[in-house]
Amino acid sequence: ETGVTQTPRHLVMGMTNKKSLKCEQHLGHNAMYWYKQSAKKPLELMFVYNFKEQTENNSVPSRFSPECPNSSHLFLHLHTLQPEDSALYLCASSHSSGTGYEQYFGPGTRLTVT
Amino acid sequence: KQEVTQIPAALSVPEGENLVLNCSFTDSAIYNLQWFRQDPGKGLTSLLLIQSSQREQTSGRLNASLDKSSGRSTLYIAASQPGDSATYLCAVRGATNKLIFGTGTLLAVQP
Repeated sequence: ETGVTQTPRHLVMGMTNKKSLKCEQHLGHNAMYWYKQSAKKPLELMFVYNFKEQTENNSVPSRFSPECPNSSHLFLHLHTLQPEDSALYLCASSHSSGTGYEQYFGPGTRLTVT
Repeated sequence: KQEVTQIPAALSVPEGENLVLNCSFTDSAIYNLQWFRQDPGKGLTSLLLIQSSQREQTSGRLNASLDKSSGRSTLYIAASQPGDSATYLCAVRGATNKLIFGTGTLLAVQP
């Protein structure tokens, strides 16, 4: 186990549904990240939070809404998604978002939008 | 714009062989490079992190090298085992402070 947990592990949702992905880290880190991994594409960074503040939004559509209530928890709220949003969503954490710190990844949530 | 390429995309070897995975990047101005392992349906496990000032890092049967000036890194796996079968990803962190990933090499080690 990496110390980063994600729930649910699998999610199927319709385009009109609203759902949330949850990430929790037990490593005492201060930075948390959301990544998207689509088939045949490199991982894409979506959002970065450092000490609960969002420091990076990589031009992500507004149908994805992140929330970071504290340094240990990160959520990704989903609404009116498109089929092309189907992917593996990975959460990661690191000591801080500065350079030189390793990122530790969770197991991911496999999302299917129907 | 930084681009990371991994060759080959897939590799199959018999158990016991030594093998090399390649990673190249277009912008040599990086802070560090990280190799990850990803098992099917799972998250990423960090294997090795090489800072820009380092030439190599070793962990057990794994050795990663970095040649920043030529934009290349290699991951050497000694005495491969079926349990090494996974997708191996390399990622570089540059001036944008983002991790830029390659598309990975899918390794299959045959018993």
